[in-house]
Amino acid sequence: TQLLEQSPQFLSIQEGENLTVYCNSSSVFSSLQWYRQEPGEGPVLLVTVVTGGEVKKLKRLTFQFGDARKDSSLHITAAQPGDTGLYLCAGREGGGNKLTFGTGTQLKVEL
Amino acid sequence: DVKVTQSSRYLVKRTGEKVFLECVQDMDHENMFWYRQDPGLGLRLIYFSYDVKMKEKGDIPEGYSVSREKKERFSLILESASTNQTSMYLCASSLWIRRTGGYTFGSGTRLTVV
Repeated sequence: TQLLEQSPQFLSIQEGENLTVYCNSSSVFSSLQWYRQEPGEGPVLLVTVVTGGEVKKLKRLTFQFGDARKDSSLHITAAQPGDTGLYLCAGREGGGNKLTFGTGTQLKVEL
Repeated sequence: DVKVTQSSRYLVKRTGEKVFLECVQDMDHENMFWYRQDPGLGLRLIYFSYDVKMKEKGDIPEGYSVSREKKERFSLILESASTNQTSMYLCASSLWIRRTGGYTFGSGTRLTVV
């Protein structure tokens, strides 16, 4: 079973600041996903990356997949209170349908 | 709007009780999953199923069983609830053919065992 470590575990910042969340493993992923979870709800898919070195942008969010497909990062520019939530990375083994989730990063953006 | 529905948002059960958590999806997805979520541990896979009457153990199956008699319904069973099973339980589903597709999650069931 892959182990996915996220850092930092907690992050509290002011509106307008930039931040980066990291997801690391010693194993190689066939694909990696990022989810956001708000209180009282299940996680919601933000993005999927499949190619080493791939960069995807979703408005102010930039996702990068490491060249070796063992790690990923999520960068948020000019954070807003609406970005508050738990961010989870999830890796897929080979061609299977099972995801292994990271430990999570709890983000709070204050006015 | 397609969705995954979990039957209860909150449950309180006594130690030793048999507990059923129900999950229904309306997207005709083949795969269904049960995770538990605990602070600092992320989501840990308990069981999953890729077809009716099929099931496979995840990373932490001890103390749990599952049932999938119909494609749209996946039940998690705690045979004899214990306090260390107090947690948030999340059900999810996905399409078999979309290997890079995401999971659709329910809103979760917060179970407290006293």
